[in-house]
Amino acid sequence: DARVTQTPRHKVTEMGQEVTMRCQPILGHNTVFWYRQTMMQGLELLAYFRNRAPLDDSGMPKDRFSAEMPDATLATLKIQPSEPRDSAVYFCASGLNPGFTAYNEQFFGPGTRLTVL
Amino acid sequence: KNEVEQSPQNLTAQEGEFITINCSYSVGISALHWLQQHPGGGIVSLFMLSSGKKKHGRLIATINIQEKHSSLHITASHPRDSAVYICAVKDYGGSQGNLIFGKGTKLSVKP
Repeated sequence: DARVTQTPRHKVTEMGQEVTMRCQPILGHNTVFWYRQTMMQGLELLAYFRNRAPLDDSGMPKDRFSAEMPDATLATLKIQPSEPRDSAVYFCASGLNPGFTAYNEQFFGPGTRLTVL
Repeated sequence: KNEVEQSPQNLTAQEGEFITINCSYSVGISALHWLQQHPGGGIVSLFMLSSGKKKHGRLIATINIQEKHSSLHITASHPRDSAVYICAVKDYGGSQGNLIFGKGTKLSVKP
């Protein structure tokens, strides 16, 4: 059955290292979202793509975070250099948005649990 | 003040009880989501609604646009309903992708 996949599921790294998280959206979906979840802040939007174009990344710290969609089947979120405060669960979600003003349901991946020591 | 407020934060119920979780928001919205996050961390979309009421199995979601309030009801609750329930709204005036999330309601249903 169709689902959003994310890799890796768990990542432990040291401060200063580069971290890359990957997401495969559901085939045919044209919107991709990256969210971060922490105990303190809950879920927060980091970036949003529609038809592979970044439409909103205002929630993302630009100095160390970057999000891309090299093709329709892959979205990446990179942190360089990573810091302990980046420790969180990062969720990817995809959806099908047929029109610019329409809005439809999002389907979430299982998340990547990142720990930065 | 948070734009999306949920109550209660924590809820413990006995199996079979009728449960209500509330969500109030302060912005104009085009849609409201109810999400379920399992103890393992996975997130499932339960409902997306912009008016009225939706029902799926033992779950019912209602929304009152004028009062800026939504409720999620669970009838005949079961221990497998134990999860965090998250309300999220699509801000009508916000960017296309942005959902504003509540902090969640942690539900524990005891057998």
